[in-house]
Amino acid sequence: EAGVAQSPRYKIIEKRQSVAFWCNPISGHATLYWYQQILGQGPKLLIQFQNNGVVDDSQLPKDRFSAERLKGVDSTLKIQPAKLEDSAVYLCASSYGGNTEAFFGQGTRLTVV
Amino acid sequence: AQKVTQAQTEISVVEKEDVTLDCVYETRDTTYYLFWYKQPPSGELVFLIRRNSFDEQNEISGRYSWNFQKSTSSFNFTITASQVVDSAVYFCLGGGFKTIFGAGTRLFVKA
Repeated sequence: EAGVAQSPRYKIIEKRQSVAFWCNPISGHATLYWYQQILGQGPKLLIQFQNNGVVDDSQLPKDRFSAERLKGVDSTLKIQPAKLEDSAVYLCASSYGGNTEAFFGQGTRLTVV
Repeated sequence: AQKVTQAQTEISVVEKEDVTLDCVYETRDTTYYLFWYKQPPSGELVFLIRRNSFDEQNEISGRYSWNFQKSTSSFNFTITASQVVDSAVYFCLGGGFKTIFGAGTRLFVKA
């Protein structure tokens, strides 16, 4: 069974530029998550989708971050414009439902310079 | 509001020692779910175990075991006969439909 796919693996951008991350969840998983993990900290949930609807985006900085989940499958997370403090690993995960175990992708390491 | 506390920031053991990682989950919900994940140096989060709040049966799976006590809100995870490959950051998660991560415990297993 294929796992959660994310791309790119690494990205370096200058501040004020924009960047987008892509995630393809495990087939059949209705719930998709985007997390931000800053070095030395636990992952922080940015947004949770159930199919193509948003369940929780309370910690998403909506002035610069946006996310969508097309047709309830793939998802993209965008940052525009990026700030230095956005440097982190962005993790995508998926699960059958909100109370079942989530499986994580390898993440995208973003460096903003 | 819900809260996940992992009081141990770092633990260092010698190979073959047993080690227990502590987690306390506080919530007003009566039904919730608890998870443990491992994050090795490679960075990918790996699912280990899941428990439901209505099932307090403790289990053993290979070298892993877990102890869930609803009365104290604790969900502890034990590795028996630790190995160097167990070196990683271990995260406890708790929640209902929405889960939150603890801050993690970094485990060093020395040969």
